Amino acid sequence: QLVLTQSPSASASLGASVKLTCTLSSGHKNYAIAWHQQQPEKGPRFLMIVNSDGSHSKGDGIPYRFSGSSSGAERYLTISSLQSEDEADYYCQTWGAFGGGTKLTVL
Amino acid sequence: EVQLVESGGALVQPGGSLRLSCAASGFNFNTYWMSWVRQAPGKGLEWVAKIKQDGSETYYVDSVKGRFTVSRDNTKNAMYLQMNGVGAEDTAIYYCARAVISGHFDYWGQGTLLIVSS
Repeated sequence: QLVLTQSPSASASLGASVKLTCTLSSGHKNYAIAWHQQQPEKGPRFLMIVNSDGSHSKGDGIPYRFSGSSSGAERYLTISSLQSEDEADYYCQTWGAFGGGTKLTVL
Repeated sequence: EVQLVESGGALVQPGGSLRLSCAASGFNFNTYWMSWVRQAPGKGLEWVAKIKQDGSETYYVDSVKGRFTVSRDNTKNAMYLQMNGVGAEDTAIYYCARAVISGHFDYWGQGTLLIVSS
């Protein structure tokens, strides 16, 4: 069974960088995943698809500050030059599976 | 511009029924799988159902099988979710989402709220 695992929370300072992780369950390490951002009281927003080779394709209008990468069964979302509006929940997803989400706090 | 607009959310009594709608625009609706995703209060995202481009295949999360039915009308660029026998556990914001061929969602609606309560 496909399971996506995320840390419940993360924090970083304004202007700094943060790397969020999504781990694919055993037997699924070659899957691509999508990252979605959900700001408080808003619907989700697609950020990018991250492939197993580390390549990524971003959605329309997603700032350059957002990038993706991979290593083995892990898929990463890196946000650089953190801004206050980046404070949000971040979910990874593939097919019918979602990770539990990571709540990012910008200090 | 791709737009997905949900409607139909309401307060419904336990055991009741409701139909949600998702109006799509800005893309060739009949060339995409579409999904419903929900989010219970204070919880994460949960995939609910998906439907193939021509409506010939549908899939559901186990918790709604036999109670919910997803359908679409490509002539109206619309997707629907018929929900029967709802319970408190179905209380959530329901989002429609467009799926690319890889199974990832690339556009979302703003959501519509279902509250199940007596």
